[in-house]
Amino acid sequence: GENVEQHPSTLSVQEGDSAVIKCTYSDSASNYFPWYKQELGKGSQLIIDIRSNVGEKKDQRIAVTLNKTAKHFSLHITETQPEDSAVYFCAASIKTSGTYKYIFGTGTRLKVLA
Amino acid sequence: DGGITQSPKYLFRKEGQNVTLSCEQNLNHDAMYWYRQDPGQGLRLIYYSQIVNDFQKGDIAEGYSVSREKKESFPLTVTSAQKNPTAFYLCASKEQAGLAVNGELFFGEGSRLTVL
Repeated sequence: GENVEQHPSTLSVQEGDSAVIKCTYSDSASNYFPWYKQELGKGSQLIIDIRSNVGEKKDQRIAVTLNKTAKHFSLHITETQPEDSAVYFCAASIKTSGTYKYIFGTGTRLKVLA
Repeated sequence: DGGITQSPKYLFRKEGQNVTLSCEQNLNHDAMYWYRQDPGQGLRLIYYSQIVNDFQKGDIAEGYSVSREKKESFPLTVTSAQKNPTAFYLCASKEQAGLAVNGELFFGEGSRLTVL
């Protein structure tokens, strides 16, 4: 069935360094790839997304890249700060039974060390 | 403030008991979803609803039931038939349910259910 693999499961970086989280999806028909940040007490929030007609998207310190041929997409966080510490989930949308479903990755726990 | 409210945040249940998790949204969103989150696994879809009085099974619906009598409410009942109910449950909504609509999911803060 459809699945999304996400790596690494945990990532520790020094404050100011960059962090990269990678996801691979299986359904070549997927056309929308959001990234969510999950923080305790704040729920999960969309931080950036990309559609399949675009190869890269950037929003300040956060960027997402998409390689449709390889079915890879990655989250890049530059100049990391302690408040970036959280669990990050990638997802890929697939169309099934006339509607879109999101298949989520297994999550990456990012720790930014001050 | 608009958003999604889940309650309770923490819930303990004895084996054999049913329990209902509440999810309310005031975003006027059409679609609502229930996900289950377990350590080392992605969010898995339990049930979803695209419109009032309609809902569909997700990937792991066995042992769960839902209702969608009002647009703003989508409660999830974890029944005694669910073999491993201890988990973190997340409710989400999306503005439009439709064939060609991808969009942002808005999540609640989650409910952690522990079966004793």
